[in-house]
Amino acid sequence: QSALTQPASVSGSPGQSITISCTGSSSDFGSYNYISWYQQHPGGVPKLLIYDVGNRPSGVSNRFSGSKSGNTASLTISGLRADDEADYYCSSYTTTAAVVFGGGTKLTVL
Amino acid sequence: QVKLVQSEMEAKKPGASVKVTCKTSGYTFGSYDITWVRQAPGQGLEWMGRVSPYNIEIIRAQKFQGRLIMTADIDTSTAYLELRNLRFDDTAVYYCARGGSQKYFDSWGQGTLVTISS
Repeated sequence: QSALTQPASVSGSPGQSITISCTGSSSDFGSYNYISWYQQHPGGVPKLLIYDVGNRPSGVSNRFSGSKSGNTASLTISGLRADDEADYYCSSYTTTAAVVFGGGTKLTVL
Repeated sequence: QVKLVQSEMEAKKPGASVKVTCKTSGYTFGSYDITWVRQAPGQGLEWMGRVSPYNIEIIRAQKFQGRLIMTADIDTSTAYLELRNLRFDDTAVYYCARGGSQKYFDSWGQGTLVTISS
């Protein structure tokens, strides 16, 4: 199972919005809406940001939002803050009951 | 609150086996799968597999077939990962995470560094 495709890096200035894409095949995404997003600060543990495409767990800021169109999912972060600087990973439940992660995107806040 | 506490770092030689422990608390262990994810140094997250709390369903990534054993002990709310025939490229931080059947992972252990060297 190949990893989902994410841009290696994105950047933005404080207050701006950025979007991170996550592209997979039809066998990765299927007809499911089981896309989730994780944030990982350097040396830290992954943290769930978004599940089932666009749902936020309790305690996650509404500056984080998710969407999906066809075989591409997206994470949008609005009102960028310095502490948003981290690595972001998408993941998907696949048609073979496995899970696949994206390669990760490093977000730099300028 | 939900906690997943993993065992300490391990150093192993090629060909050996390693067993990582994930002790959970703060929720009903029997209601959630445990998933294992690893991260090689400087690399991304890699899904390894998941185990249901009663060991009824175990799903492994194809690349670990034959080497990976995942178990769960409902009596102690603890999950275990055992990786056999270790190779140099198995050097990674191994994470346990709550979830699997619900397709996302909402709580993670602190990670266990496993280093393979001769």
